[in-house]
Amino acid sequence: QSVLTQPPSASGTPGQRVTISCSGSSSNIGSNYVYWYQQLPGTAPKLLIYRNNQRPSGVPDRFSGSKSGTSASLAISGLRSEDEADYYCAAWDDSLSAYVVFGGGTKLTVL
Amino acid sequence: QITLKESGPTLVKPTQTLTLTCTFSGFSLSTSGVGVGWIRQPPGKALEWLALIYWDDDKRYSPSLKSRLTITKDTSKNQVVLTMTNMDPVDTATYYCAHVEQKKSLWDYWGQGTLVTVSS
Repeated sequence: QSVLTQPPSASGTPGQRVTISCSGSSSNIGSNYVYWYQQLPGTAPKLLIYRNNQRPSGVPDRFSGSKSGTSASLAISGLRSEDEADYYCAAWDDSLSAYVVFGGGTKLTVL
Repeated sequence: QITLKESGPTLVKPTQTLTLTCTFSGFSLSTSGVGVGWIRQPPGKALEWLALIYWDDDKRYSPSLKSRLTITKDTSKNQVVLTMTNMDPVDTATYYCAHVEQKKSLWDYWGQGTLVTVSS
């Protein structure tokens, strides 16, 4: 059971906008940056969003991140077939001696 | 450019100790802020953080696995080694190493991963 809570699945049609939520607590999302990763089938995760809403170079501006309180969201606009992947949120957790927590992942299907 | 690559056994027996090596290039673990960590993913399941070591030898471990893990670095060889004791079939997973650019940041570059199967 993951510390950060994500919906197990999401879906949309090409061109649509979809959002994926990530819920945590005051010790993780509430006090630290949120990161989002995209994992295409059979490949290593790729950084999609860092520090809540920043995109690394090369990541299309169709991807955006936001954070409010103890929750965060990843939005994908202009959905494309190549966006079909698993998406994970992650953050530091300041409880105990500080450690990293992941969400359980969301499988995005492009219909 | 930054690259990382994991190496180690593909098959270990239950109760054995797993030793994985992450060999990297494009950065130095003597640079202030930099760290290398390990993350695993059982087949069909979610990512799970294991351990992280920084340039100043600050080490962080997953609370649930701390008693079984040791992470070390060899700056001269550009390598980070993870050992996990008392392996069990539930530890079967793809193990990734990844780079962080500063403390309290998270992974920006990942290795390709290596699948480790625990079976007798």
